[in-house]
Amino acid sequence: KNEVEQSPQNLTAQEGEFITINCSYSVGISALHWLQQHPGGGIVSLFMLSSGKKKHGRLIATINIQEKHSSLHITASHPRDSAVYICAGPQGGSEKLVFGKGTKLTVNP
Amino acid sequence: DVKVTQSSRYLVKRTGEKVFLECVQDMDHENMFWYRQDPGLGLRLIYFSYDVKMKEKGDIPEGYSVSREKKERFSLILESASTNQTSMYLCASSTPTRLAWGGDTQYFGPGTRLTVL
Repeated sequence: KNEVEQSPQNLTAQEGEFITINCSYSVGISALHWLQQHPGGGIVSLFMLSSGKKKHGRLIATINIQEKHSSLHITASHPRDSAVYICAGPQGGSEKLVFGKGTKLTVNP
Repeated sequence: DVKVTQSSRYLVKRTGEKVFLECVQDMDHENMFWYRQDPGLGLRLIYFSYDVKMKEKGDIPEGYSVSREKKERFSLILESASTNQTSMYLCASSTPTRLAWGGDTQYFGPGTRLTVL
């Protein structure tokens, strides 16, 4: 069983819709990273959070430590948001990250 | 701005060839990572280096070796390329974490798509 599980695997939305991507993680992980990968490969870090909520533009990330669950929300989605979104957690205080398999988001105009 | 560069975006090699993938970062980061990414499997760690000449195996080190002679450069070596090493290879770097929970933000290169024929 993967230590970081994402859902859904694939998500298609219409422009303007509110989008939620979920991430569950196992014991030993106490913070989460959210990353974005556009077609072509480059990965950028969006958020790192260990509690509460963070917001950047139309992106909002939340984390519930007790339930070991994090969500990434996109408000007023746009075709340029189309990408693979990946959550990852540091295992047991390590420098290394454990990655989810990613959620492929397609936003249609 | 942190910049991580990789020597090639696309590479085609033949089975049995020795392949070098190079990664350079310009932010004086101690940590550097090599991952491969395959459809349905996500990112998997091949090797990790936390200092010059220091390395640690990741989840899938078989068939690979690494070299870190200088702080800014981390090389991945496929000793004898095989078709099952056809993949996207991504390099990343980070500073040693000062966070209680571990791993700090990693900065990724653009990736090298390697095809082994």
